[in-house]
Amino acid sequence: AQSVAQPEDQVNVAEGNPLTVKCTYSVSGNPYLFWYVQYPNRGLQFLLKYITGDNLVKGSYGFEAEFNKSQTSFHLKKPSALVSDSALYFCAVRDVNSGGYQKVTFGTGTKLQVIP
Amino acid sequence: DADVTQTPRNRITKTGKRIMLECSQTKGHDRMYWYRQDPGLGLRLIYYSFDVKDINKGEISDGYSVSRQAQAKFSLSLESAIPNQTALYFCATSDFMVLRSVAEYNEQFFGPGTRLTVL
Repeated sequence: AQSVAQPEDQVNVAEGNPLTVKCTYSVSGNPYLFWYVQYPNRGLQFLLKYITGDNLVKGSYGFEAEFNKSQTSFHLKKPSALVSDSALYFCAVRDVNSGGYQKVTFGTGTKLQVIP
Repeated sequence: DADVTQTPRNRITKTGKRIMLECSQTKGHDRMYWYRQDPGLGLRLIYYSFDVKDINKGEISDGYSVSRQAQAKFSLSLESAIPNQTALYFCATSDFMVLRSVAEYNEQFFGPGTRLTVL
């Protein structure tokens, strides 16, 4: 069975400071990993994904994430937070090697609050 | 988000009523999904469909049914709504490709959501 954990319900960061939103995962094989963002009253929007290759993945709006296989983590990062980054962030995982269709498992979400 | 639309955006209904949530997409994707979002639980998959003739149950399909009327349309029905079905419902679509004999599942595109309240 696959799972994903977002250990922090909320992260507060001052505008201009670097931000990190944490995600750890568990799969039996190799993972596909995703980050999505949800703004108020909106659906989820894709930010970035890790399939294979370079462990540092760059995505939309200046976000990036680092895949760490030994720590089974995929933390979302941004060098300088903006107030407009305040939103709900979801990490998601899918096991690459499972037979048939394996659904994507979403984390419970982390609310990011960027303080002016 | 405009590529995936959901109607209605908000709905209040009473226990026992039948209700249908509709989803349409213009992305040309074969794969469509219905999720529900509850605070602290993330997104949970209700049903998914890989094409018009392929419907599959997700992890929480009890009390729900779906219809894939066309490639672009995927409806979710609550046959007899109950209060614990109060939630935010999302439709999503995705494309996929086969890469080195492995089906690569691409990111999903979500609609704006339907907020359903069952009294």
